[in-house]
Formats: sequence, C-alpha cells, structure tokens
Amino acid sequence: AQKVTQAQTEISVVEKEDVTLDCVYETRDTTYYLFWYKQPPSGELVFLIRRNSFDEQNEISGRYSWNFQKSTSSFNFTITASQVVDSAVYFCALSSSLNNFNKFYFGSGTKLNVKP
Amino acid sequence: EAQVTQNPRYLITVTGKKLTVTCSQNMNHEYMSWYRQDPGLGLRQIYYSMNVEVTDKGDVPEGYKVSRKEKRNFPLILESPSPNQTSLYFCASSPLPPVETQYFGPGTRLLVL
Repeated sequence: AQKVTQAQTEISVVEKEDVTLDCVYETRDTTYYLFWYKQPPSGELVFLIRRNSFDEQNEISGRYSWNFQKSTSSFNFTITASQVVDSAVYFCALSSSLNNFNKFYFGSGTKLNVKP
Repeated sequence: EAQVTQNPRYLITVTGKKLTVTCSQNMNHEYMSWYRQDPGLGLRQIYYSMNVEVTDKGDVPEGYKVSRKEKRNFPLILESPSPNQTSLYFCASSPLPPVETQYFGPGTRLLVL
C-alpha cells in the first residue's frame, strides 16, 4: 500500500516562530518521489519541492527547509521565522515507480495559521 | 501564458443530472489528471491519462468518467451525480512523469443537492 500521513490537522503559531510540518509516508517501492504543495486561502496549489528517494540531503530554500529521512519514512517541512503569508494548507504527496509515477498519493494536509 | 483552465469554476446541481467539468491545458502536456479535495482527506486522484485515448483509474474513480480525445482536453463526466460527489475538483497536467511537478488548474467547486 502507498500512503501519506500528515498527523497534524491544524497548527497555530505566532509570527516569527519556527514551525515543522510532519509527513510520514508508506511505500514498498525503493524508487519514489516526495512532494510538498502549499494551498493558500485563495485555493490554488503551489508546488514547493520534489525529492527523490535516492537523495536524502536536506534542502533549504530561504526560510523553508526539508528533512528527508528514509529510516523513519519521513519528509518533514520546517518554516523558520514564520510570517502571516505562510498561512495555508500544506500537502505532502508521494508517487512511485510501482505505478510508473502516474499515481499520486496526497496526505490529508496540515492547516497552518500564523498569527501576527 | 502557460495554464490549466477548468470550467465551470462553481456549479450547483441536483442529484442525477449529468454534468461535465472541462479541463484544458496549453502546454502540450501528455499527462493529465483529476483530483477531488475533501476536508480531512486531502486530494485523492480520480483518473489520469498518459496521452490521447489512454486513461486509467486513480484511487476514487467510482461515479466518474473521463475521456481524452484531444491532447489538450481532459473532461470529467459525472453521469448521475450524488451528494457524496460534492467536492472541490482539480485538474492537473504535466509532461509524462516523473516530473518536478504537475501544473494544477484553479479548481471547480461542485455542490450536488
């Protein structure tokens, strides 16, 4: 089975706090991709990052960073010094070679509220 | 401008009345896909297509049909909508996976009474 779990339904922080969004995935495949998307209140889906299963190097992009750990099947997302504009629903997703990367499995999403 | 368009953006209908949600992309992408988004469930894939006349089921295909007669268009058909199909629907396109990302349309909010 392939599955993505985002156990945090909703998180509230005050601006400038750091926050980590958890993503745990399940797949029996060894070749897969993990993704993060942002859905702001306006509703569109914004791509943030893709990581392949052979690259466990952490990624940093400005205030955003991602920690990929195959040992714990996790791909967590940290926002440093959060801002009100970070308020959104964040989705983690998985696709694998088992389905020729044609099928995508999304988590249930984590709603992040950043208060001023 | 490269984009995925969906029509209509909002739709209220009644149980059993057939409807079609259109999806069109102008990026010459081979791959297109439909998702539904429901609270607490995230996005779930309904159908996808790898090219013209090539479609396959996602995780939640029941109650939906699709067709891919032209590369740019991938309509979603609800032949007999039911209230449990009330949802937010997204169409997406990309070159054949694996790719960095799919390009998502703006979404169609459907209410079935």
